[in-house]
Amino acid sequence: GDSVTQMEGPVTLSEEAFLTINCTYTATGYPSLFWYVQYPGEGLQLLLKATKADDKGSNKGFEATYRKETTSFHLEKGSVQVSDSAVYFCARYSGGGADGLTFGKGTHLIIQP
Amino acid sequence: NAGVTQTPKFQVLKTGQSMTLQCAQDMNHNSMYWYRQDPGMGLRLIYYSASEGTTDKGEVPNGYNVSRLNKREFSLRLESAAPSQTSVYFCAGSVVHSYNSPLHFGNGTRLTVT
Repeated sequence: GDSVTQMEGPVTLSEEAFLTINCTYTATGYPSLFWYVQYPGEGLQLLLKATKADDKGSNKGFEATYRKETTSFHLEKGSVQVSDSAVYFCARYSGGGADGLTFGKGTHLIIQP
Repeated sequence: NAGVTQTPKFQVLKTGQSMTLQCAQDMNHNSMYWYRQDPGMGLRLIYYSASEGTTDKGEVPNGYNVSRLNKREFSLRLESAAPSQTSVYFCAGSVVHSYNSPLHFGNGTRLTVT
């Protein structure tokens, strides 16, 4: 079935470091791709999305590019801050509403001052 | 702005007890969802309601029931709680039941079943 694979965490970086969180998906059709972020004690919130190949989603300094050839949607940020510490979820949508939304297991990001 | 509100925030149950998790939204969402979040498992959909008056099973519906009371409210009921239902439960809503309609989540209910 449809799946999303994320790098295992926790990922620990120093402030101002470059961030990459890898995400790959199974290539069934042409899914829409998403990154959600969960701050401590809160629910998930949409960070960015891309709906077709070569689209780039961006928000709050984060970017991710829909790469059909490598079935990837890696999340990047040039200079992380302590406030970026959170759990990041990659997700794909295949159709039919949220019952078609498949989440990865999440990557816990810790940014140290 | 309340958004998506879940109650209670925390709950401890004994095996076999029942309880209802409440969710209410004031964002005019037509669609509402219940997920559970477990370590190393990500989020898994329990039930969803694409529109008022309809409910459908998600990936892990066994042991749960839901009620879409009206457009604003979507409750999740555990009739006979089991330790395997220890989890963090999230309610979410979206304007329409579509890939292009982002989910808005509540802050979760942490449930422990002993």
